[in-house]
Amino acid sequence: DVKVTQSSRYLVKRTGEKVFLECVQDMDHENMFWYRQDPGLGLRLIYFSYDVKMKEKGDIPEGYSVSREKKERFSLILESASTNQTSMYLCASSRQGPYEQYFGPGTRLTVT
Amino acid sequence: GQNIDQPTEMTATEGAIVQINCTYQTSGFNGLFWYQQHAGEAPTFLSYNVLDGLEEKGRFSSFLSRSKGYSYLLLKELQMKDSASYLCARRSNYQLIWGAGTKLIIKP
Repeated sequence: DVKVTQSSRYLVKRTGEKVFLECVQDMDHENMFWYRQDPGLGLRLIYFSYDVKMKEKGDIPEGYSVSREKKERFSLILESASTNQTSMYLCASSRQGPYEQYFGPGTRLTVT
Repeated sequence: GQNIDQPTEMTATEGAIVQINCTYQTSGFNGLFWYQQHAGEAPTFLSYNVLDGLEEKGRFSSFLSRSKGYSYLLLKELQMKDSASYLCARRSNYQLIWGAGTKLIIKP
């Protein structure tokens, strides 16, 4: 059974803290993605990676960075958390074709 | 979502049929996905259309017209557990471009 796991389901951080969100997939997928989801806005792509050590900016990369040192692991880093980064963060992975994405359970991050 | 439009909310009755529409920009089109997302959970894959026509999978069917930039998801014999958001996504190279989702409310 395919599986994407995320390090935390719920996280509360203070403004200015550095935050690490980790995602691991066990399907040997090439592509991995980080999204945030806010009410009424749908899924917005932050960053994606199509190979180890490769990364591409999505629609809203400002305030975020990513790391992919191993194929199965894709980390999202908030360098200095701000209240407008309070959101649901979803990680996904896919093969190179047909590109169906499998999602992790999500991390609900609250920045106070 | 970017160039993808779907209704924000729809209401239907248990046992009935509902059609959720999605329109998208046709340039760079590589395929159309539908996902289901229950409140507080991650999206899960429902269907993928790359050619015109209707694809049926049990109670759920998905239709695509590439020339019109139009797709719909048809849900038959609605059950209370079908209450969820339904997300339409267009494939563009590695990525999926997502609509904002349609919240479907099922009433007894």
